[in-house]
Amino acid sequence: ETGVTQTPRHLVMGMTNKKSLKCEQHLGHNAMYWYKQSAKKPLELMFVYNFKEQTENNSVPSRFSPECPNSSHLFLHLHTLQPEDSALYLCASSRDQTLGRPNEKLFFGSGTQLSVL
Amino acid sequence: LAKTTQPISMDSYEGQEVNITCSHNNIATNDYITWYQQFPSQGPRFIIQGYKTKVTNEVASLFIPADRKSSTLSLPRVSLSDTAVYYCLVGVDDYKLSFGAGTTVTVRA
Repeated sequence: ETGVTQTPRHLVMGMTNKKSLKCEQHLGHNAMYWYKQSAKKPLELMFVYNFKEQTENNSVPSRFSPECPNSSHLFLHLHTLQPEDSALYLCASSRDQTLGRPNEKLFFGSGTQLSVL
Repeated sequence: LAKTTQPISMDSYEGQEVNITCSHNNIATNDYITWYQQFPSQGPRFIIQGYKTKVTNEVASLFIPADRKSSTLSLPRVSLSDTAVYYCLVGVDDYKLSFGAGTTVTVRA
């Protein structure tokens, strides 16, 4: 148990569906992240939120829409996805964005395995 | 951001010690060296971090030579449950961590 909970664990959706991924952290952190991990590929950073404000959008297509209503919750709204969007979507949190300092680390959830048909 | 190079894969047997070396020739003075572990269908998990010399915790040891241009993660007496991908990260790029391909460690009975 990392203190970061993601739901659902698995999701199958058609290309015309709209779905949302949810992430909740119980660590009192202020920064939250969405990563995408496609099969056999490194993790790709998608979005970063710090104190509920978006600080990074790594050129992510608009069919992915993040939402951060408070520092404990992060959502990823999905619509009109493509089969190539099938991947493991990981949420992470950290105390704040200054990951370069000693003892600062990312805490990841178990991810949502998404399949787009 | 320091570029890191680590082996793509390593095989081992239960009870053996596994050593994974990561090269980071252009490490900056302020950079820390951090290792994460990722099991299949899970998110990565922080396992150890160091700046110089040796760091040990309940999971692993991290050896860093004086020039800091490389580091070695040591997993003592591995078991089947240590099968995972191990990532070496050095420094941050504008507060973002960059995960490379990592080293896939496979432990066999």
